[in-house]
Amino acid sequence: AQKVTQAQTEISVVEKEDVTLDCVYETRDTTYYLFWYKQPPSGELVFLIRRNSFDEQNEISGRYSWNFQKSTSSFNFTITASQVVDSAVYFCALSEAWGNTPLVFGKGTRLSVIA
Amino acid sequence: DAGVIQSPRHEVTEMGQEVTLRCKPISGHNSLFWYRQTMMRGLELLIYFNNNVPIDDSGMPEDRFSAKMPNASFSTLKIQPSEPRDSAVYFCASSPAGQGNNEQFFGPGTRLTVL
Repeated sequence: AQKVTQAQTEISVVEKEDVTLDCVYETRDTTYYLFWYKQPPSGELVFLIRRNSFDEQNEISGRYSWNFQKSTSSFNFTITASQVVDSAVYFCALSEAWGNTPLVFGKGTRLSVIA
Repeated sequence: DAGVIQSPRHEVTEMGQEVTLRCKPISGHNSLFWYRQTMMRGLELLIYFNNNVPIDDSGMPEDRFSAKMPNASFSTLKIQPSEPRDSAVYFCASSPAGQGNNEQFFGPGTRLTVL
């Protein structure tokens, strides 16, 4: 069975600090996909990144970066120089590799960025 | 594109009443997912369709829940009779066909309150 653990329930940082959100996953599949979604206070779910298990390269997109390590089954998300607009709940998710299959979500990490 | 459209955005009903939630996926997407979000259980899959065919409904809580997808541009989730424990945010998501497991685009959700 697939499982995603986001051990940090809530994190609070001061604006401009860097923050890392942890994600640990479990799967028996050798190929799979990992995702991050953002849920701002307005409630919608916004896609941030998709990464397949073959690609362990880290990715950077502006202030966002992701560190994927198969050896530790982790897919951590770092926000550099956090801003108040980054305040949201962030979800890590896992899915099978082939075809459009459902996402298994972690419980989410609520990030509060204080001005 | 208008994105995934869900209606109603908010629904308040009394226990025992029938509730119908509606979803219009993004045009051209061939997969549709219904998720439910609660504080206790987080985001969990209810059912999903590929090419209008239900693939996995194991997440549907009980017989009171049913879902249909009569065509590629419309799906419904029905609860009959509704109970207070059904109160949650219900998300519909769609995904395009393609290689691997593509990102899911979520609708704004329907916040259901059963009194």
